[in-house]
Amino acid sequence: GENVEQHPSTLSVQEGDSAVIKCTYSDSASNYFPWYKQELGKRPQLIIDIRSNVGEKKDQRIAVTLNKTAKHFSLHITETQPEDSAVYFCAASNWGSTLTFGKGTMLLVSP
Amino acid sequence: SAVISQKPSRDICQRGTSLTIQCQVDSQVTMMFWYRQQPGQSLTLIATANQGSEATYESGFVIDKFPISRPNLTFSTLTVSNMSPEDSSIYLCSVGRENRGDEQFFGPGTRLTVL
Repeated sequence: GENVEQHPSTLSVQEGDSAVIKCTYSDSASNYFPWYKQELGKRPQLIIDIRSNVGEKKDQRIAVTLNKTAKHFSLHITETQPEDSAVYFCAASNWGSTLTFGKGTMLLVSP
Repeated sequence: SAVISQKPSRDICQRGTSLTIQCQVDSQVTMMFWYRQQPGQSLTLIATANQGSEATYESGFVIDKFPISRPNLTFSTLTVSNMSPEDSSIYLCSVGRENRGDEQFFGPGTRLTVL
């Protein structure tokens, strides 16, 4: 089955800096890669996703890149703000299969 | 996206008892899932709740421990049976977007503590 590795496990940045979280996956048939943000005590929220027919997708301050050859994808957050502090999870799936999640990255943005 | 609610939001239970968690969606959805999130951990899929048939369980999860019902396209229940302290977790349901079932949206979760 699919295996998703996520790094780093924790990431501390200063407000205004950029943050990058990386994930690798094992199943070359995977074609959908979402990112979830989970604030303390809240539900995971889908913040951005990418499908395998696209190399990059942006939504305001967040972007996701996908390298199918290397089987890795990354979340980029620019101009970080304290409200970006949360745990971020990457995931992967193949059509008709279920999501496999990474272990999560705790992002702390200091003012 | 669909509005998803869960009941109860939290509970404290004694070992050996069972708890049934409800998940209600405000629109009909084909795909519903149940996840467990142990303290400080990632999301682990327990099972896919299938309407009109038995749930599909992931490796390590069995029907006797986690029976699931899915009587219609807007509702599902997960029961945690014969609980032990190791079952203390957050249990979340999620629904898949229609025609794009891999896009999942989560309910608020049920925080379960077993003493």
